[in-house]
Amino acid sequence: EVHLLESGGGLVQPGGSLRLSCAASGFTFSTYAMNWVRQAPGKGLEWISGIGGSGGSTYYADSLKGRFTISRDNSKNTLYLQMNSLRADDTAVYYCAKGEKNGLLIIPMGYWGQGTLVTVSA
Amino acid sequence: EIVMTQSPATLSVSPGERATLSCRASQSVTSNLAWYQQKPGQAPRLLIYGASTRATGIPARFSGSGSGTEFTLTISSLQSEDFAVYYCQQYNNWPLYTFGQGTKLEIK
Repeated sequence: EVHLLESGGGLVQPGGSLRLSCAASGFTFSTYAMNWVRQAPGKGLEWISGIGGSGGSTYYADSLKGRFTISRDNSKNTLYLQMNSLRADDTAVYYCAKGEKNGLLIIPMGYWGQGTLVTVSA
Repeated sequence: EIVMTQSPATLSVSPGERATLSCRASQSVTSNLAWYQQKPGQAPRLLIYGASTRATGIPARFSGSGSGTEFTLTISSLQSEDFAVYYCQQYNNWPLYTFGQGTKLEIK
């Protein structure tokens, strides 16, 4: 059974940094692209970053402007999101999500973690 | 950037009735369109991908249609557990994604 568990959220001051983790189990982690999606309180979903299975390819939403870095450690079955220069509008629940691509067939975000809350406030 | 627009923002429907939710893309996304359901305090759940393919375990009362720029999610006979927020998502330029702003389906 696929299981994704985020951690690392919490309260951080504006301008600070935080690193989120997503521990994966139940599938061959290194063969799947992974994503981070966030949801501000009372708002909709926003895809913010993705990474290929090997970690060699990374992708970001334009809105992040280089402040966030996605990475993965396939030996630990763990996905990361390093967040720097945090602002109040980064306050959100951050989800990791697993996608799947097999040739031309794409199954987007079929599995999600439960999310971790990041609060940016003085 | 592809912009996804959902309508209506809120839909009020009685249990047992049909619900029809719409999603429009600012440019063609062919059939690379997914729908998600999200209940309060929960992570989203994938319902439909490829515009019309139900994800594993999704009941047959959920159906998706459309291609190009116009898409529809239909719930044929609403059950109490179906009242939630629904999001469309395009992945035509995978691995980049864009979500719509969501439609809240509430009990009438």
